Amino acid sequence: NAGVTQTPKFRVLKTGQSMTLLCAQDMNHEYMYWYRQDPGMGLRLIHYSVGEGTTAKGEVPDGYNVSRLKKQNFLLGLESAAPSQTSVYFCASSYSKLAGGDTQYFGPGTRLTVL
Amino acid sequence: EDQVTQSPEALRLQEGESSSLNCSYTVSGLRGLFWYRQDPGKGPEFLFTLYSAGEEKEKERLKATLTKKESFLHITAPKPEDSATYLCAVHPFFTGGGNKLTFGTGTQLKVEL
Repeated sequence: NAGVTQTPKFRVLKTGQSMTLLCAQDMNHEYMYWYRQDPGMGLRLIHYSVGEGTTAKGEVPDGYNVSRLKKQNFLLGLESAAPSQTSVYFCASSYSKLAGGDTQYFGPGTRLTVL
Repeated sequence: EDQVTQSPEALRLQEGESSSLNCSYTVSGLRGLFWYRQDPGKGPEFLFTLYSAGEEKEKERLKATLTKKESFLHITAPKPEDSATYLCAVHPFFTGGGNKLTFGTGTQLKVEL
């Protein structure tokens, strides 16, 4: 049981390039989330999904797109990367339907640098 | 607007020196409060969930408590391996769906020999 995994672990992009971050979970969780973490800012929600085929905007969605084609995967895309998107990105998942189902479990993170 | 404030921002303790971390929150209604531990270069690791005022939970040297306005993470006789950043998050009743959490900025704890 791997929990939540993220690929890649590190990436360096040039301004204007695009990339996709992949998140996978093997816990059969309904909900999945993408956060960014910046020094002094805490974790901020980018987008989230409440089930396969659904997505919704979080606190800081601009410049990002997401897709949830399969229940176990949640993809985060940057169409035209900007230096302001340099950050550490975390994926999380939670299982909504049980007591305590709002607990979010996090992946190991992706460190992205945009030059 | 839901807010979470953690204090202190950083804390340095000697091994065995007990202390507490504070998480104060402002929400329209609290569904749950979460504590996470985050080691450098790693993702947050779940520690506790508290759901109602007066509730307490313990794990090894850590004990989390909850009142109507704040939560404390008490660390008893800490060891160097307890060094990490501790994050607090709240799950408000009204989030528009998705079990969304609001996080504080964390307390960076360093325990020295």
